Amino acid sequence: AQKITQTQPGMFVQEKEAVTLDCTYDTSDPSYGLFWYKQPSSGEMIFLIYQGSYDQQNATEGRYSLNFQKARKSANLVISASQLGDSAMYFCAIPSAYGNKLVFGAGTILRVKS
Amino acid sequence: DVKVTQSSRYLVKRTGEKVFLECVQDMDHENMFWYRQDPGLGLRLIYFSYDVKMKEKGDIPEGYSVSREKKERFSLILESASTNQTSMYLCASSTTSGRFNEQFFGPGTRLTVL
Repeated sequence: AQKITQTQPGMFVQEKEAVTLDCTYDTSDPSYGLFWYKQPSSGEMIFLIYQGSYDQQNATEGRYSLNFQKARKSANLVISASQLGDSAMYFCAIPSAYGNKLVFGAGTILRVKS
Repeated sequence: DVKVTQSSRYLVKRTGEKVFLECVQDMDHENMFWYRQDPGLGLRLIYFSYDVKMKEKGDIPEGYSVSREKKERFSLILESASTNQTSMYLCASSTTSGRFNEQFFGPGTRLTVL
């Protein structure tokens, strides 16, 4: 079964610095993808970035990029030039083998300090 | 702009009450999901539906049921609420024909059972 592990319960980063949020996964699917979502204190989950296992280049969306290392089964999220508004909970997720379900990690709380 | 709405942001109920959580999406998505979110556990799937009147159990269906009579609406029902069902409930929808099956989330309902 698919599994996501986020080993950092909480992280601090100084404003304007870069931060890496870790995500490792386990899957038996030969083709899969990895999602990252952001959840501010308001509660709504916001889609940030996605990368498929066969994509040649690491995905980037503005200040977000995915450091995808298939051999290590890791898909870390890199946020460059952190802003105060980046303070939130971040979840990594992988599609389940069946249907369109997502399996989520436990999440990492990021706090950006001014 | 895509939209998933949930009937309540905050709800307080008593043990033994029947509780209805409503979710509506306006994107004509075929898939809809109910998750509960608890600290340290991430999001766990309760039920999902891939078509009207169709439903599938997720990872933690015990104590819950669902109803999908119309494509845009997916209801979560707690037949007899218990204190261990105090949690954040998130609804999501997706389409199989989307970019990469990303899920769009509602704002969440914080349910407290006394």
